[in-house]
Amino acid sequence: GAVVSQHPSRVICKSGTSVKIECRSLDFQATTMFWYRQFPKQSLMLMATSNEGSKATYEQGVEKDKFLINHASLTLSTLTVTSAHPEDSSFYICSASGGLAGVETQYFGPGTRLLVL
Amino acid sequence: GDSVTQMEGPVTLSEEAFLTINCTYTATGYPSLFWYVQYPGEGLQLLLKATKADDKGSNKGFEATYRKETTSFHLEKGSVQVSDSAVYFCALTGGGGTSYGKLTFGQGTILTVHP
Repeated sequence: GAVVSQHPSRVICKSGTSVKIECRSLDFQATTMFWYRQFPKQSLMLMATSNEGSKATYEQGVEKDKFLINHASLTLSTLTVTSAHPEDSSFYICSASGGLAGVETQYFGPGTRLLVL
Repeated sequence: GDSVTQMEGPVTLSEEAFLTINCTYTATGYPSLFWYVQYPGEGLQLLLKATKADDKGSNKGFEATYRKETTSFHLEKGSVQVSDSAVYFCALTGGGGTSYGKLTFGQGTILTVHP
């Protein structure tokens, strides 16, 4: 149980285009979903926290107009990188909490590697 | 605010060696503690957790004990395998200093196990 999927697993796009990444909790209802960014050989940086039906809460320094987060249902959250630029290239990972293990335990998706040319 | 400090890596061991990865934390309140593992090219997987002092989390031969007196949550395994090669992250949540449920991660420790 507690499986989280992400799609796509890898995406290459041209500079200036927008990219949407989906995060789904497959076997539990996720009251909260989190979006992280991970640079090579570094730890995860929390970008934002989203609760179903509410606006996302962004961490300091994260541009909410650039990284649009939608949490439309208890099993789906999306991250849209708008007008992507090469510096947005990174590994984006989502997580979800709210399963049987409780709200404090996060289950992570496999990540999406974004390369902006 | 809350913080997690892990021993610096990378750590390189031979198969069947004993593993310890140190983790200490600073937090207000009563945090829950976690170890996550990230295999190459993959997302994080929950390895084990402990939610209160003196709790021991265990999974796949790995163990960690929540030590409130030393604010530590060291990861141990008696006999590592090549398949344990990965990055290990210590993390906490619920410390009270930040939003409920938000994870604070350590910097990660790269483990490489040779045959």
